[in-house]
Amino acid sequence: AQSVTQPDIHITVSEGASLELRCNYSYGATPYLFWYVQSPGQGLQLLLKYFSGDTLVQGIKGFEAEFKRSQSSFNLRKPSVHWSDAAEYFCAVAPYNNNDMRFGAGTRLTVKP
Amino acid sequence: GAVVSQHPSRVICKSGTSVKIECRSLDFQATTMFWYRQFPKQSLMLMATSNEGSKATYEQGVEKDKFLINHASLTLSTLTVTSAHPEDSSFYICSASSSWGTEAFFGQGTRLTVV
Repeated sequence: AQSVTQPDIHITVSEGASLELRCNYSYGATPYLFWYVQSPGQGLQLLLKYFSGDTLVQGIKGFEAEFKRSQSSFNLRKPSVHWSDAAEYFCAVAPYNNNDMRFGAGTRLTVKP
Repeated sequence: GAVVSQHPSRVICKSGTSVKIECRSLDFQATTMFWYRQFPKQSLMLMATSNEGSKATYEQGVEKDKFLINHASLTLSTLTVTSAHPEDSSFYICSASSSWGTEAFFGQGTRLTVV
């Protein structure tokens, strides 16, 4: 069965510092991969997605993620975080036919001034 | 991008009553819709998958008689929480995808509080 692991439950970074959120997946084939952000009490906003092609994916708000097949990872990065980036971040995977999307446990990002 | 509207955004109901949550795809035909539940500070758990015109497929452990899902048209799916109890209080989120699409689009979520 497919699964998603986000090893870090909570990360705190200083404003202006770089950020990397980890995501590992377990799946028989290369799935579709997603990163979502959720502010408190809000729905999900898609940051970026990977289906195929270039393994470095650019998203909104200055985020990027790199798919590494050998490590079954899809880590999210941002070179300089802003206070408004404080939120919950979810990595998700879905098979090619888009059914049965599974989410990681989430990583809560706190940004220190 | 495609828009999915979920209504209501918040609802409070009394124990024992039923509440219906709507999920609409506004600018595309959603052949498949997904319903998720999210407990505070936890991840989203898939409850069920529904294909238009078919019965929903429920995940293991989800009571189909308690969480009634209807997907009668290509733009609307509903989740009815029947005989609600306080433990049903949660954040419910739907998503929708089309037959040609490669991703699902999420609604804004519904905060259900059962008192």
